[in-house]
Amino acid sequence: SQTIHQWPATLVQPVGSPLSLECTVEGTSNPNLYWYRQAAGRGLQLLFYSVGIGQISSEVPQNLSASRPQDRQFILSSKKLLLSDSGFYLCAWSASPHTGELFFGEGSRLTVL
Amino acid sequence: EDKVVQSPLSLVVHEGDTVTLNCSYEVTNFRSLLWYKQEKKAPTFLFMLTSSGIEKKSGRLSSILDKKELSSILNITATQTGDSAIYLCAVGGAQKLVFGQGTRLTINP
Repeated sequence: SQTIHQWPATLVQPVGSPLSLECTVEGTSNPNLYWYRQAAGRGLQLLFYSVGIGQISSEVPQNLSASRPQDRQFILSSKKLLLSDSGFYLCAWSASPHTGELFFGEGSRLTVL
Repeated sequence: EDKVVQSPLSLVVHEGDTVTLNCSYEVTNFRSLLWYKQEKKAPTFLFMLTSSGIEKKSGRLSSILDKKELSSILNITATQTGDSAIYLCAVGGAQKLVFGQGTRLTINP
């Protein structure tokens, strides 16, 4: 069966520090991968998605970036965090791009101080 | 721009009540509408509705898609405290899956 792992679960970082959140999927090949952010009291905002290795599409211009160095690995990064980057970050995968069922990781709660 | 709106944003009821959550959408080239339940961390999948499957039911939960009205409802009957969660609606269009703001449902004993 397929599983998705995301880490770290909780992160407290100072403004201006770098960020790296990692997500891996097991039990499937060539998944579509997504990074979402959920602000308090709001729905999910799509940040990045990837349909294959090295293929990244950005939905929202910001100081975050994503990379997919391997088929089942998706990384969210920042060189310098802003206060506004605080939030709950969710990684997800799907077999069908954009329209099918999404399977989510447990999420990473980032607090930027 | 594709848009998904859920209502109400927040709902508090007593155990045993029946609730109806709403989701309306404006998307280009509609393909699917999905409902998720988010209790603490990861949202979990409930239903997917498409043009070929406009009504789904699982236990006390059921959902209907109204393509004419561009909306969907999620019904929960005989609510239990374990139903307390944020319920998310997402719609798949030509480009991407768009999520609504969610409805925070609280079931009081």
